Amino acid sequence: QLQLQESGPGLVKPSETLSLTCTVSGGSISSSSYYWGWIRQPPGKGLEWIGSIYYSGSTYYNPSLKSRVTISVDTSKNQFSLKLSSVTAADTAVYYCARHPRDPVFDYWGQGTLVTVSS
Amino acid sequence: AIRMTQSPSSFSASTGDRVTITCRASQGISSYLAWYQQKPGKAPKLLIYAASTLQSGVPSRFSGSGSGTDFTLTISCLQSEDFATYYCQQYYSYPGTFGPGTKVDIK
Repeated sequence: QLQLQESGPGLVKPSETLSLTCTVSGGSISSSSYYWGWIRQPPGKGLEWIGSIYYSGSTYYNPSLKSRVTISVDTSKNQFSLKLSSVTAADTAVYYCARHPRDPVFDYWGQGTLVTVSS
Repeated sequence: AIRMTQSPSSFSASTGDRVTITCRASQGISSYLAWYQQKPGKAPKLLIYAASTLQSGVPSRFSGSGSGTDFTLTISCLQSEDFATYYCQQYYSYPGTFGPGTKVDIK
């Protein structure tokens, strides 16, 4: 059974960089059939797709966040990562990692991790 | 980006009810629509994609319909485990965008 698990600091200071890693188990991140993405959800609010990466390193970023986002992949560790720079309180959210095929329909999700931006 | 709206934003229902949730896209998206269910403190769960295709393992009481700009999610006989928030998502054009959600709670 495929499992995804987010990890990283739960508290980040304003203007700093948020860094999260998603570890994939029960399947290979190098599958040619799937992409690996990040989605976030501010407390009590809706879902926002941040971006995705293919095992080859090809990326897509949401234009609303593109200037601040970097997603990378480490196939040797079966992990992919998110960096979001210059964070503000508006970036406080539960961050999910998820899998999707070529169409961004997210069929497997991590449990999510709350990241709070505060000094 | 394509804007998604849902109605109602929330409502109360009873076990056994037939319930329908509506999702509307700001422009035509063909059938590139997915539905997710989210329970408090949990990740969303994919229910339906391509507007009407049931994801593997999802009970048949869930169904989806529509194309173009107007879509519906129907639960034919509401069960206790169905009380949750439901989101639609378009993936016709990037970035895929989600609706604001419809919360179904117990009457």
